[in-house]
Amino acid sequence: GAGVSQSPSNKVTEKGKDVELRCDPISGHTALYWYRQSLGQGLEFLIYFQGNSAPDKSGLPSDRFSAERTGGSVSTLTIQRTQQEDSAVYLCASSTTGRSGNTIYFGEGSWLTVV
Amino acid sequence: QQPVQSPQAVILREGEDAVINCSSSKALYSVHWYRQKHGEAPVFLMILLKGGEQKGHEKISASFNEKKQQSSLYLTASQLSYSGTYFCGTGSYGQNFVFGPGTRLSVLP
Repeated sequence: GAGVSQSPSNKVTEKGKDVELRCDPISGHTALYWYRQSLGQGLEFLIYFQGNSAPDKSGLPSDRFSAERTGGSVSTLTIQRTQQEDSAVYLCASSTTGRSGNTIYFGEGSWLTVV
Repeated sequence: QQPVQSPQAVILREGEDAVINCSSSKALYSVHWYRQKHGEAPVFLMILLKGGEQKGHEKISASFNEKKQQSSLYLTASQLSYSGTYFCGTGSYGQNFVFGPGTRLSVLP
């Protein structure tokens, strides 16, 4: 597609349930990022994929969070045993390559509400 | 480590100028600026690279002081459409790309 596509756009889940959030980056972009944004807050880095390299998972807040990227394209962020503090917008972004001089394009986000 | 942005918030009248600052405790090789409107995804404004290269919109200007590990975004003759939250993102050696907490800009008629 023309832009970064995320699904679902909105998700309401019960505390303790698992959720999966999907990101389809711009075609040809080798770098993919996940960020979390709580209401009125900044962008919190979660995880970064670059090509076939091992992902940078340093931002994942707990072992309930995991992400994978299949075939160097689509990525899935999984949150297990969701907690109320997990409620936030989860933003996926992609860029052509690397981290330095390339524009990062964001998706519209997946709004997660844990009740 | 997250960069620091200042001010946290600013209110302008149309036509006024503003400067938003971003500083890091780490040596930087790039600074990105993005604007996010309420309920929307962040949108690219500008990239500044170590060595002086810049890429961005014609109406946006910014500076990058590599030695001081600081960047400033200059908004001149502000328009209502400039309202939003401005984030700087920094790329530094040995660290993932991180964003600052944001500066909320409101432009009033």
